[in-house]
Amino acid sequence: SQKIEQNSEALNIQEGKTATLTCNYTNYSPAYLQWYRQDPGRGPVFLLLIRENEKEKRKERLKVTFDTTLKQSLFHITASQPADSATYLCALPFSGGYNKLIFGAGTRLAVHP
Amino acid sequence: NAGVTQTPKFQVLKTGQSMTLQCAQDMNHEYMSWYRQDPGMGLRLIHYSVGAGITDQGEVPNGYNVSRSTTEDFPLRLLSAAPSQTSVYFCASSSRTGNYGYTFGSGTRLTVV
Repeated sequence: SQKIEQNSEALNIQEGKTATLTCNYTNYSPAYLQWYRQDPGRGPVFLLLIRENEKEKRKERLKVTFDTTLKQSLFHITASQPADSATYLCALPFSGGYNKLIFGAGTRLAVHP
Repeated sequence: NAGVTQTPKFQVLKTGQSMTLQCAQDMNHEYMSWYRQDPGMGLRLIHYSVGAGITDQGEVPNGYNVSRSTTEDFPLRLLSAAPSQTSVYFCASSSRTGNYGYTFGSGTRLTVV
């Protein structure tokens, strides 16, 4: 069955450093991958979508890579700020269509001043 | 622009009771989904819909029913609540292309005692 793995341990970094989060998947070749941010008590918020033919995508201080050979996506936040502290989720479409997403359990990021 | 609206925000049910979680979106999105989120398990898909009159099961559909009579509304019905259904429930919607990801509601925290 399709499986997504994100590091369950929280990532603690110092303000100004680059945070790198990992998303690995198995038993699947998705056409795209998405990243979301979730704050406590709130619903996830969409950040970025990267397609299988795109190696890298950037949005402001965010950068996502997608390696279909390694079956891995890396999510980078450069010049991190305490306001970036949240849980970050990666999501892939179930085989068969855009409308069904499977989510990883997420990695909590804590940026310390 | 309200986005995705979920009601109620909190609910306590007794075992065996039934209830309906409401979800409405004003973005004219074709796709709508219901997820539950439990600690350490991430978001799991309950049911989804690709348009009015069309619904299908996700990963964990047992104990839940859905219907989609209009594009805007996608209610989730708990038929006979069980303690295992204690969770946070999120409704989400997206356009057909999925290019801008899912828009999530703020969630309903349900406790079954």
